[in-house]
Amino acid sequence: GAGVSQTPSNKVTEKGKYVELRCDPISGHTALYWYRQSLGQGPEFLIYFQGTGAADDSGLPNDRFFAVRPEGSVSTLKIQRTERGDSAVYLCASSPAGGSNYGYTFGSGTRLTVV
Amino acid sequence: AQTVTQSQPEMSVQEAETVTLSCTYDTSESDYYLFWYKQPPSRQMILVIRQEAYKQQNATENRFSVNFQKAAKSFSLKISDSQLGDAAMYFCAYRVPSGNTPLVFGKGTRLSVIA
Repeated sequence: GAGVSQTPSNKVTEKGKYVELRCDPISGHTALYWYRQSLGQGPEFLIYFQGTGAADDSGLPNDRFFAVRPEGSVSTLKIQRTERGDSAVYLCASSPAGGSNYGYTFGSGTRLTVV
Repeated sequence: AQTVTQSQPEMSVQEAETVTLSCTYDTSESDYYLFWYKQPPSRQMILVIRQEAYKQQNATENRFSVNFQKAAKSFSLKISDSQLGDAAMYFCAYRVPSGNTPLVFGKGTRLSVIA
């Protein structure tokens, strides 16, 4: 697509529930990143995919968080047993292969609210 | 670990005036990239300007320019002829150039533009 698309735009869920957040990157971009932006903070890195594999998942806060990118395009961030502290905006970004000289293209994020 | 510090949580500027947003960073690397991103209420992070550390010349993009002081590890953003549309959160970010390493962000500065 023309840009990075994230769905849903907003998600409200009850504490303890499971949620999935979707990211559809720019066509042809092999690198995909997930960030979490808590209120009043800058985005914090969660996980990075190069193609289908997670090249760096060091930012995932605990084992309730998991992400996949099975075909090297769309990615899904999965959060189990949600907690109120998981409330944040989850941003996705993509970049071309070898894109160290590029800024990334970000989506508009999913605002997750855990009640 | 690399860190990025933005010491001004909020700034304001009169329309058509000039404003400077501050950013400092900590790294032991000699080569890296620095970025300024704008985040309007739509939440999408928009690349404003980037600077390669090995380039001594300060980057400029229309009304936006940077003052890059490598020895001081300082990377400020100057916005000239401020417009109402410049009102947003501004984030300073850093990354090393190897592979597709993730961006490290500061906490941001909220810029208000007064008509």
